[in-house]
Amino acid sequence: NAGVMQNPRHLVRRRGQEARLRCSPMKGHSHVYWYRQLPEEGLKFMVYLQKENIIDESGMPKERFSAEFPKEGPSILRIQQVVRGDSAAYFCASSPRNGEVDYNEQFFGPGTRLTVL
Amino acid sequence: GEDVEQSLFLSVREGDSSVINCTYTDSSSTYLYWYKQEPGAGLQLLTYIFSNMDMKQDQRLTVLLNKKDKHLSLRIADTQTGDSAIYFCAGSYGQNFVFGPGTRLSVLP
Repeated sequence: NAGVMQNPRHLVRRRGQEARLRCSPMKGHSHVYWYRQLPEEGLKFMVYLQKENIIDESGMPKERFSAEFPKEGPSILRIQQVVRGDSAAYFCASSPRNGEVDYNEQFFGPGTRLTVL
Repeated sequence: GEDVEQSLFLSVREGDSSVINCTYTDSSSTYLYWYKQEPGAGLQLLTYIFSNMDMKQDQRLTVLLNKKDKHLSLRIADTQTGDSAIYFCAGSYGQNFVFGPGTRLSVLP
């Protein structure tokens, strides 16, 4: 059973370009979370999705950022018109169940390191 | 909102015990976690503790939870060079995890 997969592992973009980050959850997991890690900081929650639904996007910037988790295929985090401040590591995690009721282990991918020139 | 704090750096000698501390402000978390992040990698769950427990031991790892003081600690016995990494504590609040800034553990030979 492969773990959470993210690609690309490294992404370089110039200011104003678009960045697309992909995340394939573990087999059988239907819950996906995106986090951003700035240098020397912890992970900050961005968005929580289930298949075809955004459940909680309270941590995501209102502009330029969007996320989806279609019925088929990976979850996508899209950043339009990137700026230097978007440079960070973006981690995806998946879990098999909703965390409100039960122990909720999130399995993390290796991350995508975005550099904006 | 919830705030989780950790000291940023810790150095220990190989074979000694390491104690990594974490404080949090919101006590409603049902579970508290410790994750390990090695260079260039994602986070790996080390252990977790249910909020009504005071202590949990798992091989070289001991987690202590003081709910009154909102303090969580991770003790690594017989620290090895392979333990060098960043350690994050986190609490789960519904679907969301709130992470501390991480403690960078350096193990000296």
